[in-house]
Order: sequence, then structure tokens, then C-alpha cells
Amino acid sequence: QKEVEQNSGPLSVPEGAIASLNCTYSDRGSQSFFWYRQYSGKSPELIMFIYSNGDKEDGRFTAQLNKASQYVSLLIRDSQPSDSATYLCAVNGNTDKLIFGTGTRLQVFP
Amino acid sequence: DAGVIQSPRHEVTEMGQEVTLRCKPISGHDYLFWYRQTMMQGLELLVYFNNKAVMDDSGMPKDRFSAKMPNASFSTLKIQPSEPRDSAVYFCASSPLFQMNTEAFFGQGTRLTVV
Repeated sequence: QKEVEQNSGPLSVPEGAIASLNCTYSDRGSQSFFWYRQYSGKSPELIMFIYSNGDKEDGRFTAQLNKASQYVSLLIRDSQPSDSATYLCAVNGNTDKLIFGTGTRLQVFP
Repeated sequence: DAGVIQSPRHEVTEMGQEVTLRCKPISGHDYLFWYRQTMMQGLELLVYFNNKAVMDDSGMPKDRFSAKMPNASFSTLKIQPSEPRDSAVYFCASSPLFQMNTEAFFGQGTRLTVV
């Protein structure tokens, strides 16, 4: 079992819709959770982090964390074609290691 | 600050040759991470440093890979001998203090092709 799992996609949504990206992790001691966005041929860049159960909103992005279910998600409201990218979930466990999932490719079509 | 700087950006080498990848972290960042990205495996953590000391290299094939951080502003990842399966994009990332909500900043990556 991989430490951080994501559906590789692609997830295709129409412009203006809500995109929902999901991630599960195996280490119950994990403390911090990150969502990175990676455009094709570019390096990952941080979108959001969350470390408490519940929701955290930042503009069109909402991160959701459920530690009991070992589940973290990212919602993108009013999706735009410019949101088309690979979204990487990353988890920081009991050590300082930052472990990434394989990413979900999102396609937003006009 | 110019961000994390990696060199070279692209490297093509023949199987069996030695390859050295270089990274300059953001000044003041204590943590440095080396990742390898492939389509199949995604971003794999190879090794990371805290204050120039190796903290965890369990993801690194030790028979052919070696990583060093001789000073706070420079790190290398060496592959000797290189093999076609090493072809990937190698990212270096740095972070000031890896707790809770601290962001890791990535370099532009080195695309390695071993033929």
C-alpha cells in the first residue's frame, strides 16, 4: 500500500463546475497535509495546507481533512481552464518527511 | 531571493556514465529534499537533509546514488553508474523549518535522460 494515494485521473469537468480531488494516506500519525499544483513541464507549487479536521477555504479552493478516515480533499469552485494541471497531495508524518501522492490530472474544458 | 536553483536543466548521458545534479537552496532554509518524478511513480523522496545532515535516505538506491551537502548553500546528487531506468525529472526543494504549515519550495528540476 502506498503511503499517499490519489486517483490518477484525468478528472474532466466543465468550466464553472466544482472539481473534487481526493487523497488518502496510511500513516495515522500524519500531522500536516498539503495540496500542490503542477503544470505540465513545471515544478510543483503550493496551493493550500491544512492540519486541523474540517474545512479550510482560500478563495475558490477548499481543503477538507478527516483524520479519522485518513482522508483529505481539495474542492475547486468555479473551475477555469487555467486550473487544468496535476494536483499533488502531500503528507507530513511523524518525521519531517514530505511524502507525495502520484497526483490527479484535472482537465477543465470550456 | 532567486528561489531554489538547480543545474543542469537537462542532461543526456550514456548508460554507465556518472551524472551529477546540483542544487542551491533558498538562503536560510534548513531543509533540503531531493525528489525523483516519473509518470509511473510520481514524486518519490530520495533523500533529505536538515542543517546539512542526512536525515533519511531510505528512498535512495545506495549502490549507485549518493547525496551530499557540503555547506548550507549547495547540495549534489550523484548517480554512478547511470542506467536507463534513472531517466526522470529530479527536483530539489528547500524549506525553512519543516513543521505544520511550512511550505517546501521547488527548483525547476533537472530532466535526466540515460540512453
